[in-house]
Amino acid sequence: DAGVTQSPTHLIKTRGQQVTLRCSPKSGHDTVSWYQQALGQGPQFIFQYYEEEERQRGNFPDRFSGHQFPNYSSELNVNALLLGDSALYLCASSFGRDTGELFFGEGSRLTVL
Amino acid sequence: KQEVTQIPAALSVPEGENLVLNCSFTDSAIYNLQWFRQDPGKGLTSLLLIQSSQREQTSGRLNASLDKSSGRSTLYIAASQPGDSATYLCAVRRGGSYIPTFGRGTSLIVHP
Repeated sequence: DAGVTQSPTHLIKTRGQQVTLRCSPKSGHDTVSWYQQALGQGPQFIFQYYEEEERQRGNFPDRFSGHQFPNYSSELNVNALLLGDSALYLCASSFGRDTGELFFGEGSRLTVL
Repeated sequence: KQEVTQIPAALSVPEGENLVLNCSFTDSAIYNLQWFRQDPGKGLTSLLLIQSSQREQTSGRLNASLDKSSGRSTLYIAASQPGDSATYLCAVRRGGSYIPTFGRGTSLIVHP
């Protein structure tokens, strides 16, 4: 049973560039949430996708956008990268309209120079 | 707005000790509470999920309790081992919301 998989694991970008991160949910899960985690902090919620639509969004600018595909996988896009976007980006999956237990991937470490 | 606090922020103990990690939340109208473990630079591993109607959950050497009226959950780790060294986070999901609020975690070091 495959867990949540994320790619790439590490990447380095420069200010102003754009980045796309990918996530495949745990088998049987249909809901994907994205989080940003700075060093020493708890994960901060970016947005959640269910049935290919953004169901809820956290306090992040429009530079952060996403998409969910029919197979429930998801992408996180960040445009016009800033130094402050450097963080660990985590994807979590869960099942159903009423999300219960969350399962996380290993994350994508983004460094912006 | 739900606020989640974890105390202590860091803990260093010798191997074999029994530990209690604390998670406090401000809004008692919760749906569930989940404890996670995070190794440095890695993702979060789910340890225990407690639904609002439950008082505790157990898995191996781990036991998590929930007291909604006092806004607290504790994670009890029995007979700690060096392999338990990690950051432990709690996430509290309020009723009516799909999104949990995370604490900043407790960084645990168990030394041989």
